[in-house]
Amino acid sequence: QQQVKQSPQSLIVQKGGISIINCAYENTAFDYFPWYQQFPGKGPALLIAIRPDVSEKKEGRFTISFNKSAKQFSLHIMDSQPGDSATYFCAARSNNNAGNMLTFGGGTRLMVKP
Amino acid sequence: KAGVTQTPRYLIKTRGQQVTLSCSPISGHRSVSWYQQTPGQGLQFLFEYFSETQRNKGNFPGRFSGRQFSNSRSEMNVSTLELGDSALYLCASKIRVIDTEAFFGQGTRLTVV
Repeated sequence: QQQVKQSPQSLIVQKGGISIINCAYENTAFDYFPWYQQFPGKGPALLIAIRPDVSEKKEGRFTISFNKSAKQFSLHIMDSQPGDSATYFCAARSNNNAGNMLTFGGGTRLMVKP
Repeated sequence: KAGVTQTPRYLIKTRGQQVTLSCSPISGHRSVSWYQQTPGQGLQFLFEYFSETQRNKGNFPGRFSGRQFSNSRSEMNVSTLELGDSALYLCASKIRVIDTEAFFGQGTRLTVV
């Protein structure tokens, strides 16, 4: 059961353009929403993250927009660069007394054309 | 500071065999989680260990098991390998279970033939 749905699966953007990746979740108990960037042959690396009590978070060219009522969040990459070409995963953390775990979206393969 | 180290990087096993993968967390990190990454299912949580105890477990069959040692290093074992177990196995470490930022290793690419 996929609890975090991510779209699109792939995205091609021109250099300097805006890349937008969307995620939707079902479990209202999720308490932390990170985005990970993964290059071929590497493990995922945390890019930016947000908590559900915040509607937007910006770090450099990367912005997360969060809509709690719609249970959706998105990643915006401004001024996209060829070096941003990678696979991006949204995730959501569930936290209980036993521990916590990340549920990942299916991933978006971003290609930024020079 | 060294990152999360996973060994081996690549592994080829035959169906029916068993395999053990190793993960050394960042120094000072005591929480280790394991994830399976496949093209079809994406990234899926396997289990989390803290202080040598399994704290949480994902929805995988009992063939998948793990353990953690007193130095926080962790191993995962898959018995009776199936072709569908072919995947990239990722380990992530955190200082504590409640921490939000998890640091991933490069993974072990397991191929079952």
